[in-house]
Amino acid sequence: AQSVTQLDSQVPVFEEAPVELRCNYSSSVSVYLFWYVQYPNQGLQLLLKYLSGSTLVKGINGFEAEFNKSQTSFHLRKPSVHISDTAEYFCAVSLGSSQGGSEKLVFGKGTKLTVNP
Amino acid sequence: GAGVSQSPSNKVTEKGKDVELRCDPISGHTALYWYRQSLGQGLEFLIYFQGNSAPDKSGLPSDRFSAERTGGSVSTLTIQRTQQEDSAVYLCASSFMGGGEQYFGPGTRLTVT
Repeated sequence: AQSVTQLDSQVPVFEEAPVELRCNYSSSVSVYLFWYVQYPNQGLQLLLKYLSGSTLVKGINGFEAEFNKSQTSFHLRKPSVHISDTAEYFCAVSLGSSQGGSEKLVFGKGTKLTVNP
Repeated sequence: GAGVSQSPSNKVTEKGKDVELRCDPISGHTALYWYRQSLGQGLEFLIYFQGNSAPDKSGLPSDRFSAERTGGSVSTLTIQRTQQEDSAVYLCASSFMGGGEQYFGPGTRLTVT
């Protein structure tokens, strides 16, 4: 079974500072990796994904993440955050489906990012 | 194009009543997923439909929960004899054949009083 650990439940940062949100996963087989963002009172929006290929993936809103197989990590980074990045961020893994696409997502507990002026 | 839609957006029900939650996936998406988001448990998988295959029901918390997907499109999640611990936001997602990412709807907030 897969599991996801997000080491920080809350991360406060100042505007224009860099940020890294940590995610580690556990799986005995290859997985797909995702970061989703949830703004207050809204649904989940995909930030970026790793399916295969280049280990550095770039997503929307200036975010990027690096897949590290040896450390089973998929940390999310942004070099300079904005007030509008305040939200909850979820790391997730899934297996590939035999019919294409992905199976169920297993989520981490989430990291609340608060960007202060 | 249109995204995943869910109805109702909010539902308040009395303990012991049955509720039905609806999900309309993105047109052409063959896979449909239900998740639950609650303060205590975070985001939990409930059930997954993929094409004509038997659904993966491994996440349903009890036999009071069931779901169906008619005609490979719309899905209904039914909770019978609701309990207060069923209070949560129920999220639906869909994905297309060969795609990795799941697209989420806005959710249905269920409150059991």
